[in-house]
Amino acid sequence: KQEVTQIPAALSVPEGENLVLNCSFTDSAIYNLQWFRQDPGKGLTSLLLIQSSQREQTSGRLNASLDKSSGRSTLYIAASQPGDSATYLCAVSGGGSNYKLTFGKGTLLTVNP
Amino acid sequence: DTAVSQTPKYLVTQMGNDKSIKCEQNLGHDTMYWYKQDSKKFLKIMFSYNNKELIINETVPNRFSPKSPDKAHLNLHINSLELGDSAVYFCASSRGAGNLYGYTFGSGTRLTVV
Repeated sequence: KQEVTQIPAALSVPEGENLVLNCSFTDSAIYNLQWFRQDPGKGLTSLLLIQSSQREQTSGRLNASLDKSSGRSTLYIAASQPGDSATYLCAVSGGGSNYKLTFGKGTLLTVNP
Repeated sequence: DTAVSQTPKYLVTQMGNDKSIKCEQNLGHDTMYWYKQDSKKFLKIMFSYNNKELIINETVPNRFSPKSPDKAHLNLHINSLELGDSAVYFCASSRGAGNLYGYTFGSGTRLTVV
């Protein structure tokens, strides 16, 4: 059974700092890994999708890496802004469970002005 | 706008009532899902439909009955609502199993049972 863990559970940083969010998964037989952002009371916004054959994906100030063999992914946020404050969720597809995503519990990020 | 849309956004109801949540996607996807986010913010899959056929049913009480009239719609009907059903329910869709293009989520329906 696939399990996804995100560390830290919460993170508070001053504006402008670079930061890294961590995600690990127990079954490395995944198809892809997706990072989402969830704002309070809102839905999930997809940030980055990394296929199992890829090592990283970049979008603006965001960079996500994937090490499938070790079951790890990181989300790097450069020059953080208060508007980045949200919960960041990591989810994997596959790993013996087709047609569904297995989510971590998220990292609550607060960027202080 | 292309999106996954859910209605209603908020739903407050009494215990024992029956309610439905509707979901529609205009992305041309053939697979749709219902996820539940509990009070601890943990997201777990409930159901998945591919081309109107149920392919995932994750040990959800049979008071919950999904219905997919066509590929673009997946509704969730809940009978005899209980306090523990209070949660945010998210609809999502994907092309196939989501392996290549990932998943798109709706904005959620916050269900409160009183």
